[in-house]
Amino acid sequence: DGGITQSPKYLFRKEGQNVTLSCEQNLNHDAMYWYRQDPGQGLRLIYYSQIVNDFQKGDIAEGYSVSREKKESFPLTVTSAQKNPTAFYLCASTPYRQGYGYTFGSGTRLTVV
Amino acid sequence: SQQGEEDPQALSIQEGENATMNCSYKTSINNLQWYRQNSGRGLVHLILIRSNEREKHSGRLRVTLDTSKKSSSLLITASRAADTASYFCATDGAGANSKLTFGKGITLSVRP
Repeated sequence: DGGITQSPKYLFRKEGQNVTLSCEQNLNHDAMYWYRQDPGQGLRLIYYSQIVNDFQKGDIAEGYSVSREKKESFPLTVTSAQKNPTAFYLCASTPYRQGYGYTFGSGTRLTVV
Repeated sequence: SQQGEEDPQALSIQEGENATMNCSYKTSINNLQWYRQNSGRGLVHLILIRSNEREKHSGRLRVTLDTSKKSSSLLITASRAADTASYFCATDGAGANSKLTFGKGITLSVRP
């Protein structure tokens, strides 16, 4: 079955540590997105990529980095520069063309310990 | 910045009743979408309505869009306990690239 897979489901980060969240899709979608969800704040866009080897900052990119070396994969690194990383992270994908819904992964819950 | 604003923030109804949720937005859009999220899970796409459409149906869902008022509503008819979830509206801007902006969501509770 086609879908989008995020791993791990739960992740714990120590202060000053970089961690990488994985997102893989087998839907042949061109565009991929990372969102952060905090209680009561809805979803906020971190980074997005419309094609391989290209990506753009979203509304809250500071302290995060991404890469898009393959169409199927869009990993997100939460760096030590992100001062408040505890949140639920959601990856999504869609065909590049306008007018299609997004397919979301099941999320990664990151906690700073 | 958050484009969509949902109303109400929380809604509690009895099974079998209809649930109406509203969304307002601020700038021009290409389309507006509604999503459902069960607790601790990813979002599931429910329905998309384009800026040149006024109403759309999908099963028990009915969505309306009024671009002059920059507002949309989602109606769930004959609600079930399984409809209990958070519902988000999301707007896709008028630019060439698809980039959804989400509201804060509505928490719907359907009592058996």
